Amino acid sequence: EPEVTQTPSHQVTQMGQEVILRCVPISNHLYFYWYRQILGQKVEFLVSFYNNEISEKSEIFDDQFSVERPDGSNFTLKIRSTKLEDSAMYFCASSEGTVRQKLFFGSGTQLSVL
Amino acid sequence: AQSVTQPDIHITVSEGASLELRCNYSYGATPYLFWYVQSPGQGLQLLLKYFSGDTLVQGIKGFEAEFKRSQSSFNLRKPSVHWSDAAEYFCAVGPPNDYKLSFGAGTTVTVRA
Repeated sequence: EPEVTQTPSHQVTQMGQEVILRCVPISNHLYFYWYRQILGQKVEFLVSFYNNEISEKSEIFDDQFSVERPDGSNFTLKIRSTKLEDSAMYFCASSEGTVRQKLFFGSGTQLSVL
Repeated sequence: AQSVTQPDIHITVSEGASLELRCNYSYGATPYLFWYVQSPGQGLQLLLKYFSGDTLVQGIKGFEAEFKRSQSSFNLRKPSVHWSDAAEYFCAVGPPNDYKLSFGAGTTVTVRA
């Protein structure tokens, strides 16, 4: 089965630093997503991205967050100035279409903000 | 607003026994419902989904789920559990046009020999 690839698997950063989480979605997919899961809490939707623009975003996805598809294969999530509460597992996901097509998740990047 | 409740945080089941995981949802329109499984170090894998039609849906790995609109439930079942089914299971609900999913808190399943 095709896979969504996320790098790195673990990222440690200092509070206030910028961090970029990288994802390689499945090659023919058109819809891209970021979710996160803070330890002990629910998986939360952050943002969806289609046709090179944000389709939907949650309240969590404030001005500190941005997404980009810089080169047609990668999909990145940038946190401009990290806070302690940004520590979480971040999941990238992609699908060929909308909800009638299967959503594939990556294995996640564990972000620790110190 | 959409939301999902999974009442059971942790379930322990013997290998070969049946398993049922509960899920209750809140959604204003016809829900799109999903069950995902997460093994340690892995991403979320889709087990099954419900959009419309037959309320009993079959998924991978021998799982099935039944949609009951009157009870706002979408419970997951497996008749005979294998040790490899030990994992965390998430129920999710979303709109028809986007994977803006709301997840439950998850149920951890432990399988004892």
